[in-house]
Amino acid sequence: DIQMTQSPSSVSASVGDRVTITCRASQDISNWFAWYQQKAGKAPKVLIFGASTLQNGVPSRFSGSGSGTDFTLTISSLQPEDFATYYCQQSNTFPYTFGQGTKLEIK
Amino acid sequence: ELQLLESGGGLVQPGGSLRLSCVASGFTFSSYAMSWVRQAPGKGLEWVSAISGSGGSTHYADSVKGRFTISRDNSKNTLYLQMNSLRAEDTAVYYCAKSRGNWGNGFDVWGQGTLVTVSS
Repeated sequence: DIQMTQSPSSVSASVGDRVTITCRASQDISNWFAWYQQKAGKAPKVLIFGASTLQNGVPSRFSGSGSGTDFTLTISSLQPEDFATYYCQQSNTFPYTFGQGTKLEIK
Repeated sequence: ELQLLESGGGLVQPGGSLRLSCVASGFTFSSYAMSWVRQAPGKGLEWVSAISGSGGSTHYADSVKGRFTISRDNSKNTLYLQMNSLRAEDTAVYYCAKSRGNWGNGFDVWGQGTLVTVSS
């Protein structure tokens, strides 16, 4: 199975900060990669697919980059509604796998 | 509006069975692969199973292989997950999710989730 490793597991930041979350795949997944945001008690919401394509309706302060094994999610200027848990996911090979999550908390 | 609505969750004893349903609306259901993803209380996301748009191809996580069966009825725009031989570790919120294409790249529509609790 392909292992997805996110870092950090948690991060504290302030409104207006720039935040970067990384995800590493245990083998090459090309760009079969997505980022999700999940708020407490809610279903996940896709932010980025194909490693770098912004889902319709997602604010442009979110961006994704990477290919192969190393991927990055950047939030350019944190807004209050961005405090949530973020997951990466590969869909290159079954079984699909998610990272363990990164909890973004208010400093 | 693209929408997925799950049902069928509840409390079941270890060794018991449950069938989850997910009704889709707002898109051509048969054109897209679908998956079930679960989340144990306080834990991360775990992909469980996927099925192609036609229903002819299925995939399972090792943790549920041989116990769970995914299926779909494209005439009813409905996805199913038959869960047998349930264990305490199957306790989770179960989400159905739509792939972006036949298999696609990521899940762009999610249901609200249905809670399955396995306990005596």
